[in-house]
Amino acid sequence: GAGVSQSPSNKVTEKGKDVELRCDPISGHTALYWYRQSLGQGLEFLIYFQGNSAPDKSGLPSDRFSAERTGGSVSTLTIQRTQQEDSAVYLCASSLVAATSTDTQYFGPGTRLTVL
Amino acid sequence: AQSVTQLDSHVSVSEGTPVLLRCNYSSSYSPSLFWYVQHPNKGLQLLLKYTSAATLVKGINGFEAEFKKSETSFHLTKPSAHMSDAAEYFCVVSRSGGYNKLIFGAGTRLAVHP
Repeated sequence: GAGVSQSPSNKVTEKGKDVELRCDPISGHTALYWYRQSLGQGLEFLIYFQGNSAPDKSGLPSDRFSAERTGGSVSTLTIQRTQQEDSAVYLCASSLVAATSTDTQYFGPGTRLTVL
Repeated sequence: AQSVTQLDSHVSVSEGTPVLLRCNYSSSYSPSLFWYVQHPNKGLQLLLKYTSAATLVKGINGFEAEFKKSETSFHLTKPSAHMSDAAEYFCVVSRSGGYNKLIFGAGTRLAVHP
């Protein structure tokens, strides 16, 4: 079946503009995660959704970052007033059941964001 | 708190020789541990996971890892490297019994030479 998909695959934007990144999880997966992969920081957790609610937003780096999930499926990560340090690959993952520590997360190919 | 240390940022081996990628973890709880692989311009793929069952875990593509609580280690091994194994490997920990927030190591880049 289809895996996790993300769009766009690449996004180039100017400093100060807003961007939206989209994630389509595997159908039926209730848990969804956003991570960021950057040269200086490695792979970092950003936010976790269980259904449409986000019990853990602790990884969001600033209030310029927000995310939502609708219909227990698609999620959008929004970055307002982008800065150059936001340049990174943004990864989405989903897992099947109510999240447990043993549940396998399946990752999408990522969105490479470049802020000029 | 949980953390992961990958002891080598780069490992280089010849095709057909064994692979050893080292990982040490720190966890206040009984951990779940994973190895993920990332090929160039590809997404992360799960190689294997330890979830408090057998301490020797077998994964895909001939990889395996052994959970050693006394050494707080979870090293990844493969008896014979293949050119297609060249990639970046991440050791990952999550909290057992809690939701699955993954904590990634810094990664080890594996190069395989003919």
